[in-house]
Amino acid sequence: NAGVTQNPKFQVLKTGQSMTLQCAQDMNHNSMYWYRQDPGMGLRLIYYSASEGTTDKGEVPNGYNVSRLNKREFSLRLESAAPSQTSVYFCASSEYHPGQALGTIYFGEGSWLTVV
Amino acid sequence: AQSVSQHNHHVILSEAASLELGCNYSYGGTVNLFWYVQYPGQHLQLLLKYFSGDPLVKGIKGFEAEFIKSKFSFNLRKPSVQWSDTAEYFCAVKGNNDMRFGAGTRLTVKP
Repeated sequence: NAGVTQNPKFQVLKTGQSMTLQCAQDMNHNSMYWYRQDPGMGLRLIYYSASEGTTDKGEVPNGYNVSRLNKREFSLRLESAAPSQTSVYFCASSEYHPGQALGTIYFGEGSWLTVV
Repeated sequence: AQSVSQHNHHVILSEAASLELGCNYSYGGTVNLFWYVQYPGQHLQLLLKYFSGDPLVKGIKGFEAEFIKSKFSFNLRKPSVQWSDTAEYFCAVKGNNDMRFGAGTRLTVKP
């Protein structure tokens, strides 16, 4: 039981390049999330997927796209990277039941992305 | 809109001092409340959580938090901190679909 795994752990991109951050969870959770963590800003939600087949914007979705490939996998794509997207990205998952606010959220170990 | 405020950005304490980190939230519906900790160079770990029942919840490593509904607060406490508690602490609120985090409080414990 690996929990939430994300790849790559470290990546350096040039401005304008594209890349995809991969995330997978083996806990059979319905909900998955992508956050970015910046100094003094804490964690900010980029996109989330309440269940397989659905995705929704969070606080800071601009410049990102996501795909909920199946129940296990939730990828984050930067189409044209910008220096402002230099950050640490965390994938997370939790159980979700419609109409109920339940579920501890479990985090991956983070992906350090630098855009130069 | 759902939001979470942590009042202290950086707290510096000596070992054995008592700790209280403030967390207030705004959300109109039923919420679950969490405190997460991030030790230097590591990923986020759950300290404790509140779903329902006793508003005083106990977590790992001697931490506890009290949910005061009338004040929309969920403050984190520890009676006596250790050097190993040096870390960043995040309060989080989970509503129906998503989860919001506070900006974090950096705790430095001096030996």
